Amino acid sequence: DQQVKQNSPSLSVQEGRISILNCDYTNSMFDYFLWYKKYPAEGPTFLISISSIKDKNEDGRFTVFLNKSAKHLSLHIVPSQPGDSAVYFCAAGHSGTYKYIFGTGTRLKVLA
Amino acid sequence: DAGITQSPRHKVTETGTPVTLRCHQTENHRYMYWYRQDPGHGLRLIHYSYGVKDTDKGEVSDGYSVSRSKTEDFLLTLESATSSQTSVYFCATNVGGNQPQHFGDGTRLSIL
Repeated sequence: DQQVKQNSPSLSVQEGRISILNCDYTNSMFDYFLWYKKYPAEGPTFLISISSIKDKNEDGRFTVFLNKSAKHLSLHIVPSQPGDSAVYFCAAGHSGTYKYIFGTGTRLKVLA
Repeated sequence: DAGITQSPRHKVTETGTPVTLRCHQTENHRYMYWYRQDPGHGLRLIHYSYGVKDTDKGEVSDGYSVSRSKTEDFLLTLESATSSQTSVYFCATNVGGNQPQHFGDGTRLSIL
């Protein structure tokens, strides 16, 4: 049973436009969410996170939105740049477990 | 990232042989994790450690064992490797709580 789902395996966006990556979860106990970016032959790197007490968190070009009632979060990248081309993983966890469940990833390609 | 070194980076071995992967960190993080990454599955947790000699199972722990005799080292052992364990293995660490995990660059393991 996949508790964290990224239903779009891939996404292509023109440089300068907005990229929107989506993630759904099923476990209502999750209260902390993260996004990671992964380049080939490297480990995932942390991008941005959000706690369930918020519905939005922004860091430069990256914004994460959380809709708890829909059990849905999204990552917005504005403006998209070719260097953003990577695989993006969302992850979810709940306080006290120290473990995160990862989604299957979305491959973003930003076209110059 | 976070001073995490995985060794070896690549390994090819035969079915039935024992394999040990090493993760070494210099950040003095309490928590350490082993994941495997497979197409269509994202990152799945194998085992994790919440302190020296304290370990617990993740979602795909069958066929794997771990040991942590020092804060800085976390070993993953495949006692008798099978072809289904061909994967890319990532080690991660964090300080605990709702904090991002930091990942090593992975070990690509092929079992023939």
